[in-house]
This record gives sequence, structure tokens and C-alpha cells, in this order.
Amino acid sequence: DAGVTQSPTHLIKTRGQQVTLRCSPKSGHDTVSWYQQALGQGPQFIFQYYEEEERQRGNFPDRFSGHQFPNYSSELNVNALLLGDSALYLCASSLGSTETQYFGPGTRLLVL
Amino acid sequence: KNQVEQSPQSLIILEGKNCTLQCNYTVSPFSNLRWYKQDTGRGPVSLTIMTFSENTKSNGRYTATLDADTKQSSLHITASQLSDSASYICVVGSRTGGSYIPTFGRGTSLIVHP
Repeated sequence: DAGVTQSPTHLIKTRGQQVTLRCSPKSGHDTVSWYQQALGQGPQFIFQYYEEEERQRGNFPDRFSGHQFPNYSSELNVNALLLGDSALYLCASSLGSTETQYFGPGTRLLVL
Repeated sequence: KNQVEQSPQSLIILEGKNCTLQCNYTVSPFSNLRWYKQDTGRGPVSLTIMTFSENTKSNGRYTATLDADTKQSSLHITASQLSDSASYICVVGSRTGGSYIPTFGRGTSLIVHP
């Protein structure tokens, strides 16, 4: 039974570029949440997707957008990258509105 | 604004010693409180979870306590091992509009020296 997987593991971009990160939830899970974790900080909630719709959103600008596909996998898109977007991006999956989230290994994004 | 504060920010102990990490929160409405262990560059892994009515929960050498009146929690690690070196994150969950939203603390970085 595969857990939460994310791709790519590492990514280097330059300011102004756009990036897409991908997440496959744990088998049987239908809800995906995305988090940004800056170095030395706790994860910050970006948004949550359920039934292909954004259900909740944290305090992040519109440059951060997402999508959930019929197979429950999800993408996080960030436009017009800033240096401050450099972070570990974590994806967590859960079943419906249950409170047990399983985290993926993360994608480390470096913006130069 | 929901907030979770953890202390200390970092901690260094010798292998075999015990330690206690603290978490204070202002989250409403309260749903549950989790402690996660996060190894460097990896995703967090859940250690314990407690609801409002629970005041202690153990997982091997990890014991978490919760005082819902003072909105404080602690994580006690017994007989520390080198593999305990990691960041420990306190997460308080809240239910809003049918959705579960967790608020993360910044974590306590624990280093266990031989």
C-alpha cells in the first residue's frame, strides 16, 4: 500500500518563473492538503482539495493555485516565483473530513 | 488568530536522558492536539493524538499530556536515543465549516548526543 508520494523531490527555479508540484494521496484517501514549510519553521497551511474543489484556503496569495484530479491526485502551482517561495512543500492526504493526515516526503523548492 | 507556540526552540541532550517539550495554543474551536516527529527534509510523522477529554497519551517512549483548561501540552521523551534527533511539532486541529484545519507550531529541534 503506497503512502503519499510527491514529485519532484527537489527543484531549482529562478525568480519570475512558474512551478508545478505533484502529489498522489495514500490509497483510499480523497482529500489533499498542501503546506509550505520554510527552513526552521513549522508548516503553513496553503489550501485543501476535496472532490476536485478547493475547500479551505490559508493566507497565501493568488499566485498559489491548485487542482485535484478525478483520481484524487493533486497539483500545486506557483506563479511569478519569489525568493521567499523557497521552502519544503508538503502534501498530506486524508479521508473526507477525518482528522488523520498522512504526509508525503515533500518537494524542496529553491528559487534563485 | 489561531496560534501554537512551542518551547524551547532547540534542545541538546545526552543519549539516555529524558526531556520535556512544551506547547501552548490559542486555537478555537479546539478539535484535537497532535505531536509530530519530523526528520530533516522529510514529512512529519504522527506520534500521539489527544482530544479534549484526554489528558495523557503514550506511544512507546513518548508520552504526551494535555491540559485543555490552560491550553497547554507537553511531550516527554524517556531514555532518549540518537534516532530521536529531529524536530517535534505540536499541531492543534480546529473544525470550521465541516473542514478540519490544523495549526502548526514552529517545532522544537532536538539533538541527542552520544
